[in-house]
Amino acid sequence: AQSVTQLGSHVSVSEGALVLLRCNYSSSVPPYLFWYVQYPNQGLQLLLKYTSAATLVKGINGFEAEFKKSETSFHLTKPSAHMSDAAEYFCAVSLSYSGGKLIFGQGTELSVKP
Amino acid sequence: GAVVSQHPSRVICKSGTSVKIECRSLDFQATTMFWYRQFPKQSLMLMATSNEGSKATYEQGVEKDKFLINHASLTLSTLTVTSAHPEDSSFYICSAREPQGDEQYFGPGTRLTVT
Repeated sequence: AQSVTQLGSHVSVSEGALVLLRCNYSSSVPPYLFWYVQYPNQGLQLLLKYTSAATLVKGINGFEAEFKKSETSFHLTKPSAHMSDAAEYFCAVSLSYSGGKLIFGQGTELSVKP
Repeated sequence: GAVVSQHPSRVICKSGTSVKIECRSLDFQATTMFWYRQFPKQSLMLMATSNEGSKATYEQGVEKDKFLINHASLTLSTLTVTSAHPEDSSFYICSAREPQGDEQYFGPGTRLTVT
């Protein structure tokens, strides 16, 4: 069965600091992986997706993630945090990149201090 | 990019009544739509997968007679919460997928409060 674990329900960084949000997955077959961002009382916006091509994936707003099969990880990073990055972030896994069911992690709330 | 809308954005209803939430794909046709619910400070839980012209597939533990899903056209799916109770209060989010598409596009969500 597939599952996703996000380490840390809350991460706090200073503006300009590195952002690192951790995601580990469990899947019996090569997964498709996604990172979404959710602002309060809004739906989800796709940040980036892993499609079994390049292991380093670049997304919107300066975010990127690296797929590491040996570590079953797909951590999200951004070199320099901005105040507008404060939001909830979800990692998700899908068996099929043809729009199969998404299994979401528990979410990580990112706070950015001035 | 693809846009998905939900209506209403928030609704308050009395216990025992039914409420309908609409999910529309505005600029594409969606053969498959998904319905999720999200409790405060928690993740999204998939409730059901809705395929145009066929019955929805519900996840384990989701009451299909309570959460009625209809996907009558390629641009519209509806979720009806029947005989609502306060514990049904939640944030309901839909997503839609194009027939040949690769990802889901999410609506802005509907905040349901049952009093």
